[in-house]
Amino acid sequence: AQSVTQLGSHVSVSEGALVLLRCNYSSSVPPYLFWYVQYPNQGLQLLLKYTTGATLVKGINGFEAEFKKSETSFHLTKPSAHMSDAAEYFCAVSYSGGYQKVTFGTGTKLQVIP
Amino acid sequence: EAGVVQSPRYKIIEKKQPVAFWCNPISGHNTLYWYRQNLGQGPELLIRYENEEAVDDSQLPKDRFSAERLKGVDSTLKIQPAELGDSAVYLCASSLGGVAGALRTDTQYFGPGTRLTVL
Repeated sequence: AQSVTQLGSHVSVSEGALVLLRCNYSSSVPPYLFWYVQYPNQGLQLLLKYTTGATLVKGINGFEAEFKKSETSFHLTKPSAHMSDAAEYFCAVSYSGGYQKVTFGTGTKLQVIP
Repeated sequence: EAGVVQSPRYKIIEKKQPVAFWCNPISGHNTLYWYRQNLGQGPELLIRYENEEAVDDSQLPKDRFSAERLKGVDSTLKIQPAELGDSAVYLCASSLGGVAGALRTDTQYFGPGTRLTVL
């Protein structure tokens, strides 16, 4: 069975500081990994995804994540936080194949302090 | 291109009452998903459709929940009767599915959700 664990339900950073949101996955087969962002009262929006190939994945809004198989991690980073980054972030895992059931983590709420 | 449309956005009902949610997926998307998101949790899949066929409804509480996608386009999720524990956000998502979806990761696009409060 596949699962993801997001470390820290709430993360606070100062505006301009590094954003680091942690995600570890468990999958018995090579995973597909995703980060989604959810703004208040909105649905989830895909930030980035890893399927195969390059392990450093760049997404929208300056975010990137690195797939580290040895650490079973897929942490999300952004060099400099903006106020507009305040939202909830979900890590998710799936696997290759015709049907990809996506399993979501419990989310990390990012607060950006001016 | 229009995104996934859901209505209503908010619904407040008393327990034991019925409620229905509607979803219109992105045009051309064959696969449609209904998720439930409890407060402080990630979305959990309730049911997945490939065109008009429900291909994964293993997590749908069938005693009170039902769903349909009669023409393979828009879909309705119903709860009857609602219970206090059904209070949550109900998210609809769609993806290409089919052959096109199998050839690449089938990214899911989410609607804004319906926030249900059962009193």
